[in-house]
Parts: sequence; C-alpha cells; structure tokens
Amino acid sequence: DAGVTQSPTHLIKTRGQQVTLRCSPISGHKSVSWYQQVLGQGPQFIFQYYEKEERGRGNFPDRFSARQFPNYSSELNVNALLLGDSALYLCASSLWTSGGVYEQYFGPGTRLTVT
Amino acid sequence: AQSVTQLGSHVSVSEGALVLLRCNYSSSVPPYLFWYVQYPNQGLQLLLKYTSAATLVKGINGFEAEFKKSETSFHLTKPSAHMSDAAEYFCAVSEPFGNEKLTFGTGTRLTIIP
Repeated sequence: DAGVTQSPTHLIKTRGQQVTLRCSPISGHKSVSWYQQVLGQGPQFIFQYYEKEERGRGNFPDRFSARQFPNYSSELNVNALLLGDSALYLCASSLWTSGGVYEQYFGPGTRLTVT
Repeated sequence: AQSVTQLGSHVSVSEGALVLLRCNYSSSVPPYLFWYVQYPNQGLQLLLKYTSAATLVKGINGFEAEFKKSETSFHLTKPSAHMSDAAEYFCAVSEPFGNEKLTFGTGTRLTIIP
C-alpha cells in the first residue's frame, strides 16, 4: 500500500512569494495534519483537517492556510514568505486504532527554502 | 498545555551497548505518548505508543519504553544498539479522546560507535 505522499520534494522561493504544498493521505484515512519542522527542532503542529473541516490550528500566523478536498488530499498555503518559513513541512494522515487513539503516518516532507 | 522535554540532544553509544533516550512530559490529563524515529531526509516513523494500557510498551526494531507516572517519564530503551539505529528520535505527547495534535520534543540524535 502507498504511504503518505507529498509534493514537491524540494522548493526554493523568494521572500514575499506564495507557496502551495500538497499531500495525499493513505487510502482510507480521512484526517490530515500538517507540521513544520525547522532545522534542529521537533515538528510543530500547524493544522488538522477531518473530512474537509478544520479540527485544529496551531500557533501560526494567518499567512498559513490549508484545505482538504473531497478525496481527502490536502494543500497547505503560505503567503508572503519570510526567511523563517524555511523548514521541512510534514503531512500526516491518521487512522483510528482499537486503542482509541489516532495513529499518525507521516510523509517524507517538502523541504522549503526561502531566500 | 502539554510539553515534552528530551534530555540530551546528542547521545553516542557503542554498537551492542544499551540505548537509553530520555523523555519527560508535562500534561494536565493522562496523556498518550509516542516515540518516532527520523532517518536523514525522511519523514517520521512511529516506533511505539502508550495509550494507558500496559505501562511497558514494546515497539518495532527491538525498542521499548516504560511509562512512569510518578516520574512523568517515558524513556526509550534498546538492549543492544545496532549501526542501523543511528537516527534522530522524537518523543511526542497528545491528549486522549481523539485530539490528534502531537506536541514534540526537540529530538535526540543517536550516534552508534562501531
């Protein structure tokens, strides 16, 4: 079975530009979460979507937005890019387990470099 | 608010030696706890999770972790290190009852000495 896929793999943008990152969840998973991982740090939660509705938002500015489509794929948009937005952006899709907890499966990430 | 502290940003052990990676958590409710591994230029892979059942949790690749409420700890161990264990390890916490947000620690880079 295919895992979580993300595109593009790498991206270089200039300050002030806008970027769109894409994520396809594992087949059957209805929940998608986005995380930002700055070099040398742990991932930080940005958004969670379940069946096209936003279920959670982390402490990120309004320049960050996301959406989920009917096929459960998702896009993360970042406007007015800053140097500090340079990071690995991770997407995770979730499956509810018998233990009553979501088990998140992560994609390989999109490496965004802002110059 | 929940938080996770990983003591030691870098840990080096000899091949065949015990691996011990430390994680302490802070949570106002009984948490769910996770350990993830990240190999270079890859995403995160779940090693194991604690969800209020058995306090000793066994995961993949020979790793295990013990939940100790009195110490608010969830340390990761492996009896005998292998060269392939070299990676970055992250401890994470989430609230129960379906809240999916994971709060991660800053990570511990494990180096294996031949």
